Amino acid sequence: DTEVTQTPKHLVMGMTNKKSLKCEQHMGHRAMYWYKQKAKKPPELMFVYSYEKLSINESVPSRFSPECPNSSLLNLHLHALQPEDSALYLCASSQGLAGGRQFFGPGTRLTVL
Amino acid sequence: GDSVTQMEGPVTLSEEAFLTINCTYTATGYPSLFWYVQYPGEGLQLLLKATKADDKGSNKGFEATYRKETTSFHLEKGSVQVSDSAVYFCALPLGGTYKYIFGTGTRLKVLA
Repeated sequence: DTEVTQTPKHLVMGMTNKKSLKCEQHMGHRAMYWYKQKAKKPPELMFVYSYEKLSINESVPSRFSPECPNSSLLNLHLHALQPEDSALYLCASSQGLAGGRQFFGPGTRLTVL
Repeated sequence: GDSVTQMEGPVTLSEEAFLTINCTYTATGYPSLFWYVQYPGEGLQLLLKATKADDKGSNKGFEATYRKETTSFHLEKGSVQVSDSAVYFCALPLGGTYKYIFGTGTRLKVLA
């Protein structure tokens, strides 16, 4: 199984809502990532978990809250988002430190009204 | 610091035309290099990779050679198809970290 799955595929939320994005992989990868991708731009790194511990936070606003409940799951909790947070949110995983390939999920298309 | 410079798009080609998308890099050491492809509405998929100088990565008719002397990793395909229409990203991992540097992406549109 060389797949990263993400749910939901699409999400529309108001600025006062709380929602969560989910990501799962069963490749035994120990690094998991959240990226934000705006239209016609490359992915921007948000968070990295390594061995279930937060390793990198790229100065992401606190309205985004990551969680890694176990080595296969990664969540991104969303609260009080702004319309400019509308984007494609991509989850990825890799075996270890950068140098090897990343496996990307299909993404969640988020729209904030 | 490490960086990737990728040719701006969009690139529009007719079916069966030859494709080149330029990518040059600046890096400390000799990192692996990657090309990822993103089809409409999807995440990124690894297209090909090269792990050392003079390596040639290839997949689905696409090729790229890791050229240390010109610090380049240009993507080529001899005969593109409509199904190759996508955005292509050159990527460079930052050694010893979990970070990857992505190029700006090149959108390819192939017309029948």
